Amino acid sequence: KNEVEQSPQNLTAQEGEFITINCSYSVGISALHWLQQHPGGGIVSLFMLSSGKKKHGRLIATINIQEKHSSLHITASHPRDSAVYICAVRNVGAGGTSYGKLTFGQGTILTVHP
Amino acid sequence: EAQVTQNPRYLITVTGKKLTVTCSQNMNHEYMSWYRQDPGLGLRQIYYSMNVEVTDKGDVPEGYKVSRKEKRNFPLILESPSPNQTSLYFCASSWGSAYNEQFFGPGTRLTVL
Repeated sequence: KNEVEQSPQNLTAQEGEFITINCSYSVGISALHWLQQHPGGGIVSLFMLSSGKKKHGRLIATINIQEKHSSLHITASHPRDSAVYICAVRNVGAGGTSYGKLTFGQGTILTVHP
Repeated sequence: EAQVTQNPRYLITVTGKKLTVTCSQNMNHEYMSWYRQDPGLGLRQIYYSMNVEVTDKGDVPEGYKVSRKEKRNFPLILESPSPNQTSLYFCASSWGSAYNEQFFGPGTRLTVL
């Protein structure tokens, strides 16, 4: 079982729909990142979360540390949101080390049709 | 413009021929890291560096070397490339550690024949 699991793996939506992508993890973490990979391959950081909720434009990210789960929501989806969305966790090692380690989910391929 | 650059962007080479992929950032970031991305496996961390002369292994370090002699540069060295190192490679940097927002380079597509 992977340490970081995303669901769904593939998601198709119609323009305007509300979208949710989920990320569950099994390790202790100090931070969770949501990334977006464009069809051309470039990767940009969307959010870093250590608790609670963050919002940027039509994107909302939440995290529940106790349940080891995070969600990325896209409101009023648009074809330009079509991309791969990746969550990544910053592990906390057994001794509180590994400050530099990141473990990634498999990614969710989102396609938004006009 | 704040950016992470990688060179080359595309490389086709043969088994056993040593190569270096360069990574440079102009944001004075302490943290730099290398990842590879493979279909079905996603992104995996190869090595990371918390600062000059401080490097550590990620999840898939075998077959790779790194060095961090200057803050802005973090080259990835494949001393004897093999076909299983054919992949898309990304370099990233951030303030402090992996806790903070990651800035990614454009990627290097490597093919080892």
